[in-house]
Amino acid sequence: KAGVTQTPRYLIKTRGQQVTLSCSPISGHRSVSWYQQTPGQGLQFLFEYFSETQRNKGNFPGRFSGRQFSNSRSEMNVSTLELGDSALYLCASSFGGLSTDTQYFGPGTRLTVL
Amino acid sequence: AQSVAQPEDQVNVAEGNPLTVKCTYSVSGNPYLFWYVQYPNRGLQFLLKYITGDNLVKGSYGFEAEFNKSQTSFHLKKPSALVSDSALYFCAVRDEYSSASKIIFGSGTRLSIRP
Repeated sequence: KAGVTQTPRYLIKTRGQQVTLSCSPISGHRSVSWYQQTPGQGLQFLFEYFSETQRNKGNFPGRFSGRQFSNSRSEMNVSTLELGDSALYLCASSFGGLSTDTQYFGPGTRLTVL
Repeated sequence: AQSVAQPEDQVNVAEGNPLTVKCTYSVSGNPYLFWYVQYPNRGLQFLLKYITGDNLVKGSYGFEAEFNKSQTSFHLKKPSALVSDSALYFCAVRDEYSSASKIIFGSGTRLSIRP
């Protein structure tokens, strides 16, 4: 099976712009979660989607949003970019999003905000 | 509240020697524990998990971890380290009542294997 894929791998934007990141989960996986990874804050949970519905949300401002399509592919959007949004954004998929499920991560999108 | 601690920012080991990366946790209810590894500019790769059963869990690349309920620990081990094991290792925990996304990651331990 193909793993989790994320596009693009690298992005450079300027403050105030918006950005959309894409994630394709492992085939058959219905749960997709997004995380932000920075050296200072570590891995922080953004949100989780399951069957096109947001099931959980972390403590991020409303500038961060996401959605999931019927084929389980997910996108996240960040509007009005700030310098502090520079990070590695990781997508993870799991079969049913259950507590016993393993999450499998994509390679990430490295976002740099100038 | 769930929490996980990786007390060592860095672990240095000579190639061929055994290695241990420490992890302790705190959850209400039964813990589900995971280890992931991250290579530079890559996502997290799943190594192993403990859900229930045998306290010694075997995973990918020769790694294993021992669940110790009384010490609330889940240390990662390997009998003989390879230079290629050098990477960033994350321990993670969720409790039995959480969804997959409600997972708490440790701060990470950088493992450096010298030839």
